[in-house]
Amino acid sequence: RKEVEQDPGPFNVPEGATVAFNCTYSNSASQSFFWYRQDCRKEPKLLMSVYSSGNEDGRFTAQLNRASQYISLLIRDSKLSDSATYLCVVRGYNFNKFYFGSGTKLNVKP
Amino acid sequence: NAGVMQNPRHLVRRRGQEARLRCSPMKGHSHVYWYRQLPEEGLKFMVYLQKENIIDESGMPKERFSAEFPKEGPSILRIQQVVRGDSAAYFCASSPGSGRASTDTQYFGPGTRLTVL
Repeated sequence: RKEVEQDPGPFNVPEGATVAFNCTYSNSASQSFFWYRQDCRKEPKLLMSVYSSGNEDGRFTAQLNRASQYISLLIRDSKLSDSATYLCVVRGYNFNKFYFGSGTKLNVKP
Repeated sequence: NAGVMQNPRHLVRRRGQEARLRCSPMKGHSHVYWYRQLPEEGLKFMVYLQKENIIDESGMPKERFSAEFPKEGPSILRIQQVVRGDSAAYFCASSPGSGRASTDTQYFGPGTRLTVL
């Protein structure tokens, strides 16, 4: 079983739509959680960390459910520039080992 | 504060040659990670290093690949006798290794795109 699992998509949505991505992780002792964004042929860039209480950054909201071992990312009012692959990342029980999901592709259409 | 630096950005090698990829972590970061990404695929973990130590190399192919992070200088990923299947983007990331969940995350370099002819 993979450490981190994501729906690969693609999610094709119109501009202005709200879209949600989910991610599950297998190890309950995982320490920290993140969402990264990767544009085509570029390096992954940190989008936001995910805290137990949930957190919001502008149009982006991240949630963590430790009981269900589940992380989500909600994007409101999608922009064309949000088109990218979104990577779910978990820092494991081995404190400095990071586990990456295979990514969910988002296409925002005009 | 410069970010993670990788060089070269593009590297072309013929089959059988050696490839050396360099990574300088962000200032103050003592942990380095190498990942490989094939076209249209996800990131695959290769190796995790701290200064002068390999912490986890569970993602490294058993042959032809090696990595180091010396006391001075950048981390090096070395691929000997390259084959066409080694063509990929190789990303390096660094983290502070502070041991604090609130600050310990990874920052990526721009990657080295290796093409084996």
